[in-house]
Amino acid sequence: DIQMTQSPSVLSASVGDRVTLNCKASQNINKYLNWYQQKLGEAPKLLIYNTNNLQTGIPSRFSGSGSGTDYTLTISSLQPEDVATYFCFQHNSWPTFGAGTKLELK
Amino acid sequence: EVQLVESGGGLVQPGRSLKLSCAASGFTFSNYGMAWVRQTPTKGLEWVASISTGGGNTYYRDSVKGRFTISRDNAKNTQYLQMDSLRSEDTATYYCARQLKAYWYFDFWGPGTMVTVSS
Repeated sequence: DIQMTQSPSVLSASVGDRVTLNCKASQNINKYLNWYQQKLGEAPKLLIYNTNNLQTGIPSRFSGSGSGTDYTLTISSLQPEDVATYFCFQHNSWPTFGAGTKLELK
Repeated sequence: EVQLVESGGGLVQPGRSLKLSCAASGFTFSNYGMAWVRQTPTKGLEWVASISTGGGNTYYRDSVKGRFTISRDNAKNTQYLQMDSLRSEDTATYYCARQLKAYWYFDFWGPGTMVTVSS
């Protein structure tokens, strides 16, 4: 299985900050990388698919980039409602998730 | 509005069986693959099983092969997960998820149902 490693595991930031979350795959996943947001007590929600495509209804402050084994989710200006855990996910082969980055307000 | 609602979770003894259901609405069910994904605090999110639009193709993670069976009834807009020979490590919140036909990812998820395997 392809292993997905996310960093940092916890991130504290202030409202308005530009935030960057990282995800590294154990092998090339050909940009088949998604990002999900999970708020406490809720199901995961798709934010970004295939590296840089914004899911319908997701605010434009979210963006994704990357290639090969290294991928990034960026929030351009952090909002209070963005407090959540963010998971990366690869579907280049049998699907696997990262362990998540918990995003907190400073 | 896309809605997925799971049911059937609960407390079950090791070695016993449980069947989960997922009722779908708000989209043409037969046009989408479907999947089950589970989550625990220790192992995180794990894909469990997927099924093709017509139900003819099914896929499982290695740890549940031979014990779990995914199925669907397109007339009832419902998918199922029959879980047999349950183990303590199957304890998790199980999510029903809609899977894109062209790609192997999940764009909508249900709220989840908790399965606890314990004596």
